[in-house]
Amino acid sequence: EAGVTQSPTHLIKTRGQQATLRCSPISGHTSVYWYQQALGLGLQFLLWYDEGEERNRGNFPPRFSGRQFPNYSSELNVNALELEDSALYLCASSLWGGNEQFFGPGTRLTVL
Amino acid sequence: AQSVTQLDSQVPVFEEAPVELRCNYSSSVSVYLFWYVQYPNQGLQLLLKYLSGSTLVKGINGFEAEFNKSQTSFHLRKPSVHISDTAEYFCAVSEETSGSRLTFGEGTQLTVNP
Repeated sequence: EAGVTQSPTHLIKTRGQQATLRCSPISGHTSVYWYQQALGLGLQFLLWYDEGEERNRGNFPPRFSGRQFPNYSSELNVNALELEDSALYLCASSLWGGNEQFFGPGTRLTVL
Repeated sequence: AQSVTQLDSQVPVFEEAPVELRCNYSSSVSVYLFWYVQYPNQGLQLLLKYLSGSTLVKGINGFEAEFNKSQTSFHLRKPSVHISDTAEYFCAVSEETSGSRLTFGEGTQLTVNP
């Protein structure tokens, strides 16, 4: 069974640009979570999507947004990139109502 | 709101020695507890979880953890570590509700020396 996949593996952008990160959950999982792992800030919850709807949001500005598609895959969009957005972005998925989240390998975003 | 404190940022040990990584949490509601491991340049892998029942939880790779409600702790232990256990370990909690976010501790870097 394939795990959670994320693309791209690495992404390099310049300040002010937009970044789009993608995540495909484990087959059968409907919930997708996004986390940011920035140096010195630890792992922070960003967003939770289920059944195409945003269900919960962490303490991040509106320029962090996303969506979930009918096949339950998800995109995370970061607009107006700032240097401090450089981080590893991890996607996780779970069954609906599930309490165990399975993580993908992450996308390393570097903002120059 | 909940919070997680991992009491040691770095733990160096020798191979075949026992190890304990400490985790304390704070929450106003009942929680589920997790330990994840992260190898360099990889995502997170679940080591073990406490949802209910027995307070001693066994996980993968010989790790175990004990939930202590009175001390709000969930310490991770392994009786004999290997070089391959070198990694960063994260303690996490979530509320006992569907789809709840995970709140992570700051992580503990375990380094196993020969």
